[in-house]
Amino acid sequence: DAGITQSPRHKVTETGTPVTLRCHQTENHRYMYWYRQDPGHGLRLIHYSYGVKDTDKGEVSDGYSVSRSKTEDFLLTLESATSSQTSVYFCAISESGSPGNEQFFGPGTRLTVL
Amino acid sequence: QKEVEQNSGPLSVPEGAIASLNCTYSDRGSQSFFWYRQYSGKSPELIMSIYSNGDKEDGRFTAQLNKASQYVSLLIRDSQPSDSATYLCAGDQGGKLIFGQGTELSVKP
Repeated sequence: DAGITQSPRHKVTETGTPVTLRCHQTENHRYMYWYRQDPGHGLRLIHYSYGVKDTDKGEVSDGYSVSRSKTEDFLLTLESATSSQTSVYFCAISESGSPGNEQFFGPGTRLTVL
Repeated sequence: QKEVEQNSGPLSVPEGAIASLNCTYSDRGSQSFFWYRQYSGKSPELIMSIYSNGDKEDGRFTAQLNKASQYVSLLIRDSQPSDSATYLCAGDQGGKLIFGQGTELSVKP
């Protein structure tokens, strides 16, 4: 998985609790991304980062926040989890942005919100 | 939001045949396109990228891009049962990848 780890790999939580997912890379790539994947919706971008402390919103950012204090770590936080946030979350990294935006994905985190 | 569209399938081909996967996109500004393979329960794996009109070959895989008609295709020659997976097409829109919903491919022995 191109030197990308995600933690935890599985998590079950209750509605209203905060949840933080971590993505860690050892490739020293500048760009990092968080996606969610749901049946019928495919992969959708939540937030992305183009450098330390530089982040921006994606297509489905409501209810999520991110932080990147180091090149290697990109955190995704659900401030108050809802059942609609039950999904598989993937982190991806890219050495360059557009146009040669080859992204490599981590193993994913399966999140269930009860 | 500009779109990337794929037939969801499933597409079933016999072992040894050519599998043809297609994708259309709406954003004429997209310059780069990517094909990912995703096995059930696993993460997407990049298998091809293509940036210019024409064909790009890598082993059994050939990606084709036609910017005038706004379509991208992936051909898999000599299909193997191990090629059975979901194939995702993605286009770059200003640094963000927009993914199609994927086409499920089943290769029958």
